[in-house]
Amino acid sequence: AQSVSQHNHHVILSEAASLELGCNYSYGGTVNLFWYVQYPGQHLQLLLKYFSGDPLVKGIKGFEAEFIKSKFSFNLRKPSVQWSDTAEYFCAVGGSQGNLIFGKGTKLSVKP
Amino acid sequence: DTAVSQTPKYLVTQMGNDKSIKCEQNLGHDTMYWYKQDSKKFLKIMFSYNNKELIINETVPNRFSPKSPDKAHLNLHINSLELGDSAVYFCASRRWASGDQETQYFGPGTRLLVL
Repeated sequence: AQSVSQHNHHVILSEAASLELGCNYSYGGTVNLFWYVQYPGQHLQLLLKYFSGDPLVKGIKGFEAEFIKSKFSFNLRKPSVQWSDTAEYFCAVGGSQGNLIFGKGTKLSVKP
Repeated sequence: DTAVSQTPKYLVTQMGNDKSIKCEQNLGHDTMYWYKQDSKKFLKIMFSYNNKELIINETVPNRFSPKSPDKAHLNLHINSLELGDSAVYFCASRRWASGDQETQYFGPGTRLLVL
């Protein structure tokens, strides 16, 4: 069965620091990968997704992610975080029935 | 315009009660989902409907019964509520189309608290 691991439970950064959140998935075949963000008290919003092609994917709000097949990884990055990036970040892989299989999430706290 | 809406947004109820959560999407999608987010923020699929047909039914107690009257609606009815049902329930929808490449759009969530 497919699974997703997010190793960082809680990341605390100061504004302007660079961000990298780890995500590893278990499935060795073709995968569709997603990063969603959940701001406090809000619903999930899509940051970016990867299906095929260029392994470096650019998303909204300055986020990007790199698909590295050999490492089964899809890490999320941002060169300079802002206080407004404080949120919960979820990595997900597309399931066989079109559902999403989520990691346990990483809480990002950005100190002003 | 709200793409995926859920009602109610908050639901506080007593153990043993029966309650329903409604979900509607105005995106013209044909596939809808219910996810449960527990107190540790872990999100897990519960049900999925494609064109009003149940396609995913995870190991969820049979006290939970989804109902899809049409492609734009997927409601969740919960019988005999238990303390462990307290969670945030998210509805989502997507276009089935050519496979997994379609983005899922999520509703705002329904925060259920069972006392």
